[in-house]
Amino acid sequence: QKEVEQNSGPLSVPEGAIASLNCTYSDRGSQSFFWYRQYSGKSPELIMSIYSNGDKEDGRFTAQLNKASQYVSLLIRDSQPSDSATYLCAVIRGGSQGNLIFGKGTKLSVKP
Amino acid sequence: ETGVTQTPRHLVMGMTNKKSLKCEQHLGHNAMYWYKQSAKKPLELMFVYSLEERVENNSVPSRFSPECPNSSHLFLHLHTLQPEDSALYLCASSQGGAKRVDTQYFGPGTRLTVL
Repeated sequence: QKEVEQNSGPLSVPEGAIASLNCTYSDRGSQSFFWYRQYSGKSPELIMSIYSNGDKEDGRFTAQLNKASQYVSLLIRDSQPSDSATYLCAVIRGGSQGNLIFGKGTKLSVKP
Repeated sequence: ETGVTQTPRHLVMGMTNKKSLKCEQHLGHNAMYWYKQSAKKPLELMFVYSLEERVENNSVPSRFSPECPNSSHLFLHLHTLQPEDSALYLCASSQGGAKRVDTQYFGPGTRLTVL
């Protein structure tokens, strides 16, 4: 079982819609969760971090964490074409030295 | 700009060459990381340095040799690489050292092609 799993997509949504990106992880002791956005040919940039169960909102982005289900998601409201990118879910395992384990990423395409 | 710079941005080398990748962070961080990103594969952690000491080496072949002379600089020395080593090599840094749960900030990467 992969440590961090994401649907590779592409996920296509119309402009203005809500994009929902999902991620599951295998290590129940995982403690920290991150969403990175990566444009084609560029390096990852941090979008959101979340550490406790529930929702965390930052502008148009909402991260949701459910540790019991080992599930973390990212919602993007009012999606824009500029949101088109690959979104990487990353997890720090329990007992780890702070090292990130990444999923393969979900490619999002927002159509005008 | 994340405060992490990498040079060169692009590198083409033959299998018998020796080259080095450089990373510099201007954030005052204590931990630095090398990642490899290949097509259709997740980002793979290669090396971690915390306070200039290597704390993790994820079974990376010896043809990759890291060096961390101080907390602001990190190198990846390359020799006798294989074509399958062609990838995007990313450097990252974080504030509190590798044992803390800190956000990592990435450099722009070096696109390496091995002929």
